[in-house]
Amino acid sequence: DQQVKQNSPSLSVQEGRISILNCDYTNSMFDYFLWYKKYPAEGPTFLISISSIKDKNEDGRFTVFLNKSAKHLSLHIVPSQPGDSAVYFCAASAHRAGSYQLTFGKGTKLSVIP
Amino acid sequence: KAGVTQTPRYLIKTRGQQVTLSCSPISGHRSVSWYQQTPGQGLQFLFEYFSETQRNKGNFPGRFSGRQFSNSRSEMNVSTLELGDSALYLCASSPGLAGGPSQETQYFGPGTRLLVL
Repeated sequence: DQQVKQNSPSLSVQEGRISILNCDYTNSMFDYFLWYKKYPAEGPTFLISISSIKDKNEDGRFTVFLNKSAKHLSLHIVPSQPGDSAVYFCAASAHRAGSYQLTFGKGTKLSVIP
Repeated sequence: KAGVTQTPRYLIKTRGQQVTLSCSPISGHRSVSWYQQTPGQGLQFLFEYFSETQRNKGNFPGRFSGRQFSNSRSEMNVSTLELGDSALYLCASSPGLAGGPSQETQYFGPGTRLLVL
């Protein structure tokens, strides 16, 4: 069963507009959420995170929103830039056996069109 | 600080062979996690090592194994390779101090791309 779902495999957005990437989760034990960005031939790069006790976290052009009752989070990028074109992975963290284990979604490929 | 490094970056093997991949974590990080990424799939967790001990394990067959050395460097081994093992293998490190999830962000290496023919 897929505990973290990113239902949109791809998304195209015009440069300067807002990009909204969505993620749903099913496991109530997840208490910390992260977004990673991945370019081809590189490893994922940490982008932004949010604790389950918050509903919003902002870092420059990137904002993550968490709706705990709906088990839904979203990443907003505004304004979108061509350099933002990458695959974005949503990850959820649960404490297990002394560490924080991440469960990833399958990713959403964002294309920002100049 | 230098980032996570993985060697080799690319590898071609044939079915039935075995392979060993290496990962050097960020200096000071004691936890190393391994993931497999295949086309259309997210990152699937293989296992996590901390202080030379496997602390967590994902749902992969026993052909996948790993170890960690006293300097926190880690290796993963896949024996009796199958075509389906072709994937990008990613290693991530974190402090491993369990001070809280915000302090345990995992930082990834560039990955090793394995092709099994």
